[in-house]
Amino acid sequence: QVLLVQSGAEVKKPGASVRVFCEASGYTFSGYFIHWVRQAPGQGLEWMGWINSNSGDTKSAQKFQGRVAMTRDTSIRTAYMDLSGLTSDDTAVYFCARVFFKDTSAGWYGYWGQGTLVTVSS
Amino acid sequence: EIVMTQSPATLSVSPGERATLSCRASQNVNTRLAWYQQKPGQAPRVVIFGASNRATGIPARFSGSGSGTEFTLTITGLQSEDFALYYCQQYHDWPLTFGQGTQVDIK
Repeated sequence: QVLLVQSGAEVKKPGASVRVFCEASGYTFSGYFIHWVRQAPGQGLEWMGWINSNSGDTKSAQKFQGRVAMTRDTSIRTAYMDLSGLTSDDTAVYFCARVFFKDTSAGWYGYWGQGTLVTVSS
Repeated sequence: EIVMTQSPATLSVSPGERATLSCRASQNVNTRLAWYQQKPGQAPRVVIFGASNRATGIPARFSGSGSGTEFTLTITGLQSEDFALYYCQQYHDWPLTFGQGTQVDIK
């Protein structure tokens, strides 16, 4: 079955960077877009961006441009999300999610990772 | 940016009753609308996609309707496992956006 397994919780200081990874299994990795969505404590869901697992092309929300980098390593079926210049506002659970249909950038998420809590605190 | 507005914020319903959740888009999203269910400490799970299509494994008591800017998620005969937070999401245009959520509580 399709599984997305994310890295563990992180605690970072303001100004630092964080890397979250998302390891995929159960499907052809390169055929699908992986999105990143975050959820601040007690808040709603916020779309951050996507990476085309095949080409490596990315698209991010304007809010995160210049601070977020999304990459992937097809050899180990893993997507990465790097977020720099962390502030307390970045404290959130970060999810990776796979669009259900192949070769489709915009779509609904059929599969989610378990989430990674990133806490930014001095 | 397409703003998604959900109402009500909280819905208190007795088990076995019907819950009706609304989602309004600030622009036309056709039927490119999904509903997700989220329970505490868990990732969201898709319930409805394409505005009215039940996802695999979702019981028939869940139904979605609407197109354009007005959408509804209806849960008939609420079961204990249905009490959760529900989000709508549009995937018609960038950035993808979510509503702020409707909490379905036990009355």
